[in-house]
Amino acid sequence: DAKTTQPPSMDCAEGRAANLPCNHSTISGNEYVYWYRQIHSQGPQYIIHGLKNNETNEMASLIITEDRKSSTLILPHATLRDTAVYYCIVRVDTSGTYKYIFGTGTRLKVLA
Amino acid sequence: KAGVTQTPRYLIKTRGQQVTLSCSPISGHRSVSWYQQTPGQGLQFLFEYFSETQRNKGNFPGRFSGRQFSNSRSEMNVSTLELGDSALYLCASSSRVLAGGTDTQYFGPGTRLTVL
Repeated sequence: DAKTTQPPSMDCAEGRAANLPCNHSTISGNEYVYWYRQIHSQGPQYIIHGLKNNETNEMASLIITEDRKSSTLILPHATLRDTAVYYCIVRVDTSGTYKYIFGTGTRLKVLA
Repeated sequence: KAGVTQTPRYLIKTRGQQVTLSCSPISGHRSVSWYQQTPGQGLQFLFEYFSETQRNKGNFPGRFSGRQFSNSRSEMNVSTLELGDSALYLCASSSRVLAGGTDTQYFGPGTRLTVL
């Protein structure tokens, strides 16, 4: 199964862009990258996902390298409410079904 | 549209007992997955149910089991509880319309199980 590697923690100033990196060097060609965040032991909240192309939605942007071995989640203007643990996940598809393989996550702290 | 609901939210049991946790998916979602979250092991996949059939299973002992009903609601059961089973148990649902499609899992708030 593909695994992800993330820095354990990061700080970001409020109002600045938060760039969260993720390494998934063993990812296979049909495996999607998903990002979720978890605030204080609540259920993880979906942020964004992608396969090959860069993606953007109202919450964030996802930049995936051309070789797909790494990606970066960008929160364009971080607020205090963005303080959370961010998980980079590879979705492993097997025989018509799939499962999420969670990494250890990055604890992002947004500073006032 | 209501989100994923899990009951109970908190549970305290003693070693050797068994427990049943319940999950109601988002209306229209047919796939339900279960995860265990502990400080030491992080978030780990338990199993996935789709149309009342277990489609995928993680690396957990047979004490962990689940089922899904015709209305897509799901339950998971843990028998002969051990101290190490103390965790946050999370349920996630997805529409799972297309095999291999880009459907997204939406998580519930979790059930916090404490084993004494």
